[in-house]
Amino acid sequence: FILTQPHSVSESPGKTVTISCSAFGGSVVSNFVQWYQQRPGSPPTPVIFNSYRRPSGVPDRFSGSIDSSSNSASLTISGLTTEDEADYYCQSYDRSSPWVFGGGTKVTVL
Amino acid sequence: QLRLHESGPGLVQPSETLSLTCSLSGAYINTMTVYWGWVRQPPGKGLEWIGALYFSGSTYYNPSLESRVSIRLDTSKNELSLRLRSVTAADTALYYCPYGDGGPLGGLFDFWGQGSLVTVSS
Repeated sequence: FILTQPHSVSESPGKTVTISCSAFGGSVVSNFVQWYQQRPGSPPTPVIFNSYRRPSGVPDRFSGSIDSSSNSASLTISGLTTEDEADYYCQSYDRSSPWVFGGGTKVTVL
Repeated sequence: QLRLHESGPGLVQPSETLSLTCSLSGAYINTMTVYWGWVRQPPGKGLEWIGALYFSGSTYYNPSLESRVSIRLDTSKNELSLRLRSVTAADTALYYCPYGDGGPLGGLFDFWGQGSLVTVSS
């Protein structure tokens, strides 16, 4: 089971960026997806859990979605600020290896 | 306030065993109905799940590491441990011990420590 993310995305402040997480050899439609933000020098912190839900304290500029037609998950960040510059990782479940992380996407706010 | 602190030797010789501990402060580990994990991150690279231990005692390991890894809970010391045998340079990484709410496999790791850097080198 592999989760594939784009290596990097970039956008201007105030704009919207969407990060994809495509699943191969498993399903993100029938299993929950989590998203983590990792700023340089810091541990990961969750921004989305159970595919759509935001942990307490995470602004509603962050949203998660699932596309069943492409077996992929997405994290959308609207109203980009420089504070959103970070690496983002998706994570889901597979019965052969219960926790699987995507390779990570670096978000740059131009 | 809960706090996780990972600690270890910093430098490990190739072919030796890597041993790390994750100390919990602010709560008693044996009262928490959570799952504990170990996740590592090689320098400049992404996250890799190593294994997890549920409050029930069940353990789960990454198949790619399963033959070399063990995770245990020491309630007397209020800490989680990781042992990884026969290490190579590929095991050089920052090692984290996050925990989650004890729900289904593959769930969220809610809270992460700052990590412990381990370098495998002679």
